[in-house]
Amino acid sequence: AQTVTQSQPEMSVQEAETVTLSCTYDTSESDYYLFWYKQPPSRQMILVIRQEAYKQQNATENRFSVNFQKAAKSFSLKISDSQLGDAAMYFCAYRSASRNAGNMLTFGGGTRLMVKP
Amino acid sequence: DAGVIQSPRHEVTEMGQEVTLRCKPISGHDYLFWYRQTMMRGLELLIYFNNNVPIDDSGMPEDRFSAKMPNASFSTLKIQPSEPRDSAVYFCASSLRYRVNEQFFGPGTRLTVL
Repeated sequence: AQTVTQSQPEMSVQEAETVTLSCTYDTSESDYYLFWYKQPPSRQMILVIRQEAYKQQNATENRFSVNFQKAAKSFSLKISDSQLGDAAMYFCAYRSASRNAGNMLTFGGGTRLMVKP
Repeated sequence: DAGVIQSPRHEVTEMGQEVTLRCKPISGHDYLFWYRQTMMRGLELLIYFNNNVPIDDSGMPEDRFSAKMPNASFSTLKIQPSEPRDSAVYFCASSLRYRVNEQFFGPGTRLTVL
């Protein structure tokens, strides 16, 4: 079974600075997808960024980028130019690419990000 | 599109009562997921459906929990009888098969069992 670990329960960053959230996972599969979800106080789960394991290039979405290290099974999220609206819980998630696995997501425990003005 | 719709948004009930949570997935999505989120256990997958058929219910905590999907546009998660430890936020999500597209989550139902 796959597991996802987020070792930082809480992180804080100064507005306009850069912060990196860590995520590691354990899997025996070679093809899979990784996601970062944001959960603001409204509780809505919002996809931030996704990465296909077969792609070597790190995904980027505006101020959000990832550092995907497949051999190390590491998938960190970098938020540049942090804004007050970035304050939220961030969840790392894994999804197998196997057709037999369905579309199930395995989530990490989350990291609470606080942004200081 | 209105996104995934869940009702009610908040539910407060007393121990022993039956609770029914409802979900309407995004039109055209053929996967539907029910998650539970608590401080202690984080986000847990309870059950998921593909084309209205339950595929994996191994996450359902016990027989008090049941889920149905009578058609492609509606699903329910029922707890009978409810217990205080069932207090959590319950999310419904839907997605398309064989796509990297993300699961789209509903706003969640906050359940409090007194």
